[in-house]
Amino acid sequence: DSGVTQTPKHLITATGQRVTLRCSPRSGDLSVYWYQQSLDQGLQFLIQYYNGEERAKGNILERFSAQQFPDLHSELNLSSLELGDSALYFCASSVSAGASTDTQYFGPGTRLTVL
Amino acid sequence: QKEVEQDPGPLSVPEGAIVSLNCTYSNSAFQYFMWYRQYSRKGPELLMYTYSSGNKEDGRFTAQVDKSSKYISLFIRDSQPSDSATYLCAMSNTGKLIFGQGTTLQVKP
Repeated sequence: DSGVTQTPKHLITATGQRVTLRCSPRSGDLSVYWYQQSLDQGLQFLIQYYNGEERAKGNILERFSAQQFPDLHSELNLSSLELGDSALYFCASSVSAGASTDTQYFGPGTRLTVL
Repeated sequence: QKEVEQDPGPLSVPEGAIVSLNCTYSNSAFQYFMWYRQYSRKGPELLMYTYSSGNKEDGRFTAQVDKSSKYISLFIRDSQPSDSATYLCAMSNTGKLIFGQGTTLQVKP
């Protein structure tokens, strides 16, 4: 158990809908990262927050947004969902702002299925 | 062309075999190299972490980095059925991790 929690474990929804994925980092970790894992694209970095502020952005679609709250939990919002958004979404956390020496600890993931 | 290339396999070996997993990359700025293991339906967990070129050993696992060839390897000695998983290489120079596609390994008893 990495100490990172994610809810829900599974989510099934329809095209055009909006969903929110939630992540709680390990105790003491200030950075939260979101990743998308699909069969064809592999594990791709979406966005990072550090202590409530956006720190780095990857291949995140405009239909997706995220935020980190004062208690350091984070939410990833996915809107106008398309079939291609079906994937595993992972959250990871680390101690600092993203130093390369930081270890990122991954949560168990949320499996999103868009029908 | 992807920044990090990794053969997805699958790779099937008998128990006790030595396993070699590899990744190539194109960005010479990468300085930190990691191997993650991911069991089915679980999140990736960090196995090995190396900085710059060289070897690092941890039990049955050895990570090797050759920056001149832009090539990294993970060796697993005396492989066990419990090693059956997907192995992802990852690399970084800024904290943002770039992952390979992952290689699925099956170790048969």
